[in-house]
Amino acid sequence: AQSVTQPDIHITVSEGASLELRCNYSYGATPYLFWYVQSPGQGLQLLLKYFSGDTLVQGIKGFEAEFKRSQSSFNLRKPSVHWSDAAEYFCAVFSGYALNFGKGTSLLVTP
Amino acid sequence: EAGVAQSPRYKIIEKRQSVAFWCNPISGHATLYWYQQILGQGPKLLIQFQNNGVVDDSQLPKDRFSAERLKGVDSTLKIQPAKLEDSAVYLCASSLVAPPEGEQYFGPGTRLTVT
Repeated sequence: AQSVTQPDIHITVSEGASLELRCNYSYGATPYLFWYVQSPGQGLQLLLKYFSGDTLVQGIKGFEAEFKRSQSSFNLRKPSVHWSDAAEYFCAVFSGYALNFGKGTSLLVTP
Repeated sequence: EAGVAQSPRYKIIEKRQSVAFWCNPISGHATLYWYQQILGQGPKLLIQFQNNGVVDDSQLPKDRFSAERLKGVDSTLKIQPAKLEDSAVYLCASSLVAPPEGEQYFGPGTRLTVT
């Protein structure tokens, strides 16, 4: 089954600094890739997705992600982080009938 | 529009007891999902319904877990008997159309603690 790996369990950034969360996928053909955010006490919310076409994908809340086939990566970026971005971030790949999620990266934002 | 509703939000039971979770998807959404999210991990799909038919239940421990979706709307997930390792957050999600095109909308989850 197709899977994703999120190498970083925890990431700490200062408010206003740039952010990059890593995601690597294992799949032969072009995968369907997703990024979700899970804030404390809230449900998972879709940030963005990649199916095909332009490899730079824009999402909600100022996030973007770039699909790089040569590196089997789909990293999430934001140029300037806000305190409200502190949350758990999950990368996922569509496999068979289901979304397979990574283990997540916990983002802490410091003043 | 109203989101995905789940109840209860929290449940504490002893091992070997039974428990049931309820989910009401977004109106008109044909596809409904139940996920299990163990602490420190990403959600894992347990079962997917398309209307009231099961599309995928390959990761559902069928010796103790069961799920149904009556009339293609509400759904219940049951565990009987519960084990300690069932402690997790159970997430329900729905989408207008099947994945991957259908965006999944998640409910707040039910946090189950088995003691």
